[in-house]
Amino acid sequence: NAGVMQNPRHLVRRRGQEARLRCSPMKGHSHVYWYRQLPEEGLKFMVYLQKENIIDESGMPKERFSAEFPKEGPSILRIQQVVRGDSAAYFCASSPLQNKELFFGEGSRLTVL
Amino acid sequence: QQQVKQSPQSLIVQKGGISIINCAYENTAFDYFPWYQQFPGKGPALLIAIRPDVSEKKEGRFTISFNKSAKQFSLHIMDSQPGDSATYFCAASKPSGSRLTFGEGTQLTVNP
Repeated sequence: NAGVMQNPRHLVRRRGQEARLRCSPMKGHSHVYWYRQLPEEGLKFMVYLQKENIIDESGMPKERFSAEFPKEGPSILRIQQVVRGDSAAYFCASSPLQNKELFFGEGSRLTVL
Repeated sequence: QQQVKQSPQSLIVQKGGISIINCAYENTAFDYFPWYQQFPGKGPALLIAIRPDVSEKKEGRFTISFNKSAKQFSLHIMDSQPGDSATYFCAASKPSGSRLTFGEGTQLTVNP
Protein backbone atom coordinates (compact mmCIF):
# COMPACT_ATOMS: atom_id res chain seq x y z
CA ASN A 1 0.00 0.00 0.00
CA ALA A 2 1.81 3.06 -1.26
CA GLY A 3 1.92 6.09 0.98
CA VAL A 4 0.83 9.61 0.16
CA MET A 5 2.55 10.59 -3.07
CA GLN A 6 3.47 14.16 -3.79
CA ASN A 7 5.04 15.60 -6.88
CA PRO A 8 7.11 17.32 -7.81
CA ARG A 9 9.40 16.94 -4.82
CA HIS A 10 11.23 20.11 -5.79
CA LEU A 11 9.96 22.96 -7.92
CA VAL A 12 11.70 26.18 -8.89
CA ARG A 13 9.67 29.06 -10.25
CA ARG A 14 10.40 32.68 -11.07
CA ARG A 15 8.27 35.42 -9.60
CA GLY A 16 4.99 35.73 -11.46
CA GLN A 17 4.88 32.13 -12.67
CA GLU A 18 2.41 29.47 -11.60
CA ALA A 19 3.14 26.51 -9.37
CA ARG A 20 1.06 23.32 -9.39
CA LEU A 21 1.61 20.76 -6.67
CA ARG A 22 -0.02 17.35 -6.87
CA CYS A 23 -1.00 14.90 -4.17
CA SER A 24 -2.26 11.36 -4.51
CA PRO A 25 -3.68 10.15 -1.20
CA MET A 26 -3.21 6.70 0.18
CA LYS A 27 -5.44 4.06 -1.34
CA GLY A 28 -8.87 4.18 0.26
CA HIS A 29 -8.39 7.67 1.69
CA SER A 30 -10.92 10.25 0.65
CA HIS A 31 -9.85 13.13 2.90
CA VAL A 32 -6.95 15.35 1.85
CA TYR A 33 -5.26 18.19 3.73
CA TRP A 34 -2.63 20.66 2.61
CA TYR A 35 -0.16 22.25 5.02
CA ARG A 36 2.62 24.75 4.46
CA GLN A 37 5.91 24.73 6.33
CA LEU A 38 8.21 27.72 6.21
CA PRO A 39 11.89 27.18 7.04
CA GLU A 40 12.45 26.53 10.75
CA GLU A 41 8.72 26.79 11.45
CA GLY A 42 5.81 24.50 12.18
CA LEU A 43 3.14 23.32 9.79
CA LYS A 44 0.30 25.67 9.02
CA PHE A 45 -3.05 24.33 7.85
CA MET A 46 -4.18 25.54 4.47
CA VAL A 47 -7.14 23.55 3.19
CA TYR A 48 -9.16 20.37 3.77
CA LEU A 49 -10.85 18.64 0.86
CA GLN A 50 -12.91 15.60 0.13
CA LYS A 51 -13.61 14.33 -3.35
CA GLU A 52 -15.02 17.24 -5.38
CA ASN A 53 -15.60 19.33 -2.25
CA ILE A 54 -13.67 21.93 -0.30
CA ILE A 55 -14.58 21.37 3.33
CA ASP A 56 -12.41 23.97 5.08
CA GLU A 57 -10.25 26.54 3.33
CA SER A 58 -9.82 28.88 6.28
CA GLY A 59 -6.03 28.63 6.09
CA MET A 60 -5.73 29.52 2.43
CA PRO A 61 -4.55 32.98 1.43
CA LYS A 62 -7.44 34.85 -0.16
CA GLU A 63 -5.66 35.50 -3.41
CA ARG A 64 -3.51 33.45 -5.80
CA PHE A 65 -4.03 30.13 -4.00
CA SER A 66 -6.57 27.47 -4.93
CA ALA A 67 -7.03 23.76 -4.34
CA GLU A 68 -9.09 21.00 -5.82
CA PHE A 69 -9.63 17.29 -5.37
CA PRO A 70 -11.45 16.03 -8.45
CA LYS A 71 -13.45 12.84 -8.71
CA GLU A 72 -10.62 11.29 -10.68
CA GLY A 73 -6.97 12.08 -10.22
CA PRO A 74 -4.83 13.72 -7.60
CA SER A 75 -5.51 16.74 -5.44
CA ILE A 76 -3.87 19.87 -6.79
CA LEU A 77 -2.67 22.96 -4.96
CA ARG A 78 -2.26 25.81 -7.37
CA ILE A 79 -0.36 29.01 -6.68
CA GLN A 80 -0.67 31.74 -9.27
CA GLN A 81 1.78 34.59 -9.75
CA VAL A 82 4.19 33.24 -7.17
CA VAL A 83 6.20 35.59 -4.95
CA ARG A 84 9.36 34.93 -2.96
CA GLY A 85 7.30 34.58 0.23
CA ASP A 86 5.63 31.50 -1.25
CA SER A 87 8.93 29.61 -0.97
CA ALA A 88 8.19 26.80 1.45
CA ALA A 89 7.58 23.09 1.79
CA TYR A 90 4.02 22.12 1.01
CA PHE A 91 2.80 18.92 2.61
CA CYS A 92 -0.22 16.88 1.74
CA ALA A 93 -1.82 14.50 4.21
CA SER A 94 -4.66 12.04 3.82
CA SER A 95 -6.95 10.08 6.10
CA PRO A 96 -9.58 7.42 5.51
CA LEU A 97 -12.23 9.13 7.59
CA GLN A 98 -12.72 12.36 9.49
CA ASN A 99 -11.09 12.38 12.92
CA LYS A 100 -8.63 9.70 12.00
CA GLU A 101 -4.85 9.68 11.82
CA LEU A 102 -3.29 11.83 9.12
CA PHE A 103 -0.62 10.32 6.91
CA PHE A 104 1.74 12.85 5.39
CA GLY A 105 3.58 12.80 2.11
CA GLU A 106 7.22 13.80 1.79
CA GLY A 107 6.36 17.27 0.64
CA SER A 108 6.92 19.51 -2.35
CA ARG A 109 9.59 22.14 -1.86
CA LEU A 110 8.89 25.31 -3.79
CA THR A 111 11.62 27.83 -4.40
CA VAL A 112 10.70 31.15 -5.95
CA LEU A 113 13.59 33.03 -7.52
CA GLN B 1 -7.73 30.15 20.78
CA GLN B 2 -6.25 27.98 18.08
CA GLN B 3 -2.67 28.17 19.34
CA VAL B 4 -0.52 25.33 20.51
CA LYS B 5 2.69 26.48 22.17
CA GLN B 6 5.68 24.15 22.23
CA SER B 7 8.95 24.27 24.16
CA PRO B 8 11.87 24.09 24.08
CA GLN B 9 12.74 25.16 20.55
CA SER B 10 15.82 22.95 20.63
CA LEU B 11 17.07 20.24 22.93
CA ILE B 12 20.37 18.41 23.25
CA VAL B 13 20.45 15.15 25.18
CA GLN B 14 23.11 12.54 25.75
CA LYS B 15 22.53 9.00 24.55
CA GLY B 16 20.58 7.09 27.15
CA GLY B 17 19.06 10.22 28.65
CA ILE B 18 15.45 11.34 28.83
CA SER B 19 14.14 13.88 26.33
CA ILE B 20 11.16 15.96 27.45
CA ILE B 21 9.18 18.26 25.19
CA ASN B 22 6.23 20.28 26.43
CA CYS B 23 3.13 21.72 24.81
CA ALA B 24 0.34 23.93 26.05
CA TYR B 25 -2.94 24.68 24.38
CA GLU B 26 -5.67 27.23 24.84
CA ASN B 27 -8.76 25.80 23.20
CA THR B 28 -10.60 23.48 25.59
CA ALA B 29 -12.49 22.02 22.63
CA PHE B 30 -9.37 20.15 21.51
CA ASP B 31 -9.80 16.44 22.08
CA TYR B 32 -6.98 14.76 20.18
CA PHE B 33 -3.29 15.38 20.83
CA PRO B 34 -0.75 13.67 18.55
CA TRP B 35 3.01 13.97 18.36
CA TYR B 36 4.76 13.87 15.01
CA GLN B 37 8.40 13.15 14.22
CA GLN B 38 10.04 14.71 11.18
CA PHE B 39 13.46 13.94 9.74
CA PRO B 40 15.16 16.45 7.41
CA GLY B 41 13.67 16.37 3.94
CA LYS B 42 10.84 14.07 4.99
CA GLY B 43 7.21 14.45 5.90
CA PRO B 44 5.96 14.29 9.49
CA ALA B 45 5.15 10.82 10.77
CA LEU B 46 2.77 10.07 13.63
CA LEU B 47 4.65 8.92 16.70
CA ILE B 48 2.02 8.62 19.42
CA ALA B 49 -1.30 10.26 20.25
CA ILE B 50 -3.58 10.71 23.25
CA ARG B 51 -7.15 11.72 23.99
CA PRO B 52 -8.06 13.61 27.18
CA ASP B 53 -9.82 10.69 28.86
CA VAL B 54 -6.43 9.30 29.93
CA SER B 55 -3.52 11.02 31.66
CA GLU B 56 -0.72 8.95 30.19
CA LYS B 57 -0.02 6.76 27.20
CA LYS B 58 3.11 4.74 26.62
CA GLU B 59 4.39 3.10 23.45
CA GLY B 60 7.84 1.63 23.76
CA ARG B 61 10.28 4.37 24.73
CA PHE B 62 7.74 7.12 24.03
CA THR B 63 5.26 8.39 26.62
CA ILE B 64 2.70 11.17 26.47
CA SER B 65 1.67 12.77 29.76
CA PHE B 66 -1.55 14.78 29.65
CA ASN B 67 -2.78 17.34 32.22
CA LYS B 68 -6.27 18.42 31.27
CA SER B 69 -6.70 21.01 34.03
CA ALA B 70 -3.43 22.71 33.13
CA LYS B 71 -4.08 22.31 29.39
CA GLN B 72 -0.64 20.86 28.92
CA PHE B 73 0.82 17.69 27.48
CA SER B 74 4.33 16.45 27.08
CA LEU B 75 6.38 13.87 25.23
CA HIS B 76 8.99 11.85 27.08
CA ILE B 77 11.56 9.84 25.17
CA MET B 78 13.28 7.36 27.45
CA ASP B 79 16.75 5.98 26.72
CA SER B 80 17.18 8.52 23.91
CA GLN B 81 19.20 7.32 20.93
CA PRO B 82 21.10 9.20 18.19
CA GLY B 83 18.49 7.87 15.74
CA ASP B 84 15.87 9.86 17.64
CA SER B 85 17.51 13.08 16.46
CA ALA B 86 14.73 14.82 14.55
CA THR B 87 12.20 17.60 14.84
CA TYR B 88 9.18 16.82 16.99
CA PHE B 89 5.84 18.55 16.65
CA CYS B 90 2.91 18.43 19.00
CA ALA B 91 -0.53 19.06 17.57
CA ALA B 92 -4.17 19.23 18.56
CA SER B 93 -7.53 18.96 16.87
CA LYS B 94 -11.20 19.39 17.70
CA PRO B 95 -13.95 16.77 17.45
CA SER B 96 -15.60 18.55 14.55
CA GLY B 97 -12.77 17.78 12.17
CA SER B 98 -9.34 16.31 11.92
CA ARG B 99 -7.64 19.57 10.98
CA LEU B 100 -4.48 19.68 13.12
CA THR B 101 -3.04 22.78 14.77
CA PHE B 102 0.70 22.28 15.18
CA GLY B 103 3.21 23.60 17.66
CA GLU B 104 6.34 25.29 16.34
CA GLY B 105 8.50 22.20 16.72
CA THR B 106 11.46 21.07 18.83
CA GLN B 107 14.72 20.12 17.22
CA LEU B 108 16.12 17.23 19.23
CA THR B 109 19.77 16.23 19.02
CA VAL B 110 20.91 13.10 20.82
CA ASN B 111 24.68 12.96 21.17
CA PRO B 112 26.38 9.56 21.07
